[in-house]
Amino acid sequence: DTEVTQTPKHLVMGMTNKKSLKCEQHMGHRAMYWYKQKAKKPPELMFVYSYEKLSINESVPSRFSPECPNSSLLNLHLHALQPEDSALYLCASSRSSGLNSPLHFGNGTRLTVT
Amino acid sequence: DQQVKQNSPSLSVQEGRISILNCDYTNSMFDYFLWYKKYPAEGPTFLISISSIKDKNEDGRFTVFLNKSAKHLSLHIVPSQPGDSAVYFCAASGTGANNLFFGTGTRLTVIP
Repeated sequence: DTEVTQTPKHLVMGMTNKKSLKCEQHMGHRAMYWYKQKAKKPPELMFVYSYEKLSINESVPSRFSPECPNSSLLNLHLHALQPEDSALYLCASSRSSGLNSPLHFGNGTRLTVT
Repeated sequence: DQQVKQNSPSLSVQEGRISILNCDYTNSMFDYFLWYKKYPAEGPTFLISISSIKDKNEDGRFTVFLNKSAKHLSLHIVPSQPGDSAVYFCAASGTGANNLFFGTGTRLTVIP
């Protein structure tokens, strides 16, 4: 079992919908991440939160809006997505950012935009 | 441009033999390297890492070798087991960096 929990596992949404992806970890990690993975491609970084503050936004379109309510939770709010945004969205955490500590990933949310 | 490359998309190995997965990188600022294993419908699972001050790190059946001059690392699995069948991703980052750069993955199949 992964120690990073993501919900929902699958999500189908229309282009006008608003939905949220949720991620939770209780390992005391202070850095949390959102990655996006398309089929047969490596994961690509979207956002990094360090000590609950957004530290990296990899030029992600504003239709993706991250939120870190506390050190254990990370959300990704979705609005007006496009079909090309369909992908596996992975949440990860690490003890800290900027130091050599491995990322621990959740099992992802498989998002389909229709 | 892909900064971390895994040139073999797939590898098949007999059970009990050694599996060797290879990875090359282009960015000389990378100093921390990791291997992840991924099963279908699951997220990547951390396997083993190595920092640039070492050239070898071992954990049970898994050993990672780093050749900084060649910008090359490899993962050795010995003996290979059918449960090792998965996609293996190599990843790298630089000091003080938050981003992991992943390779495209190698699908390992261990034949019983």
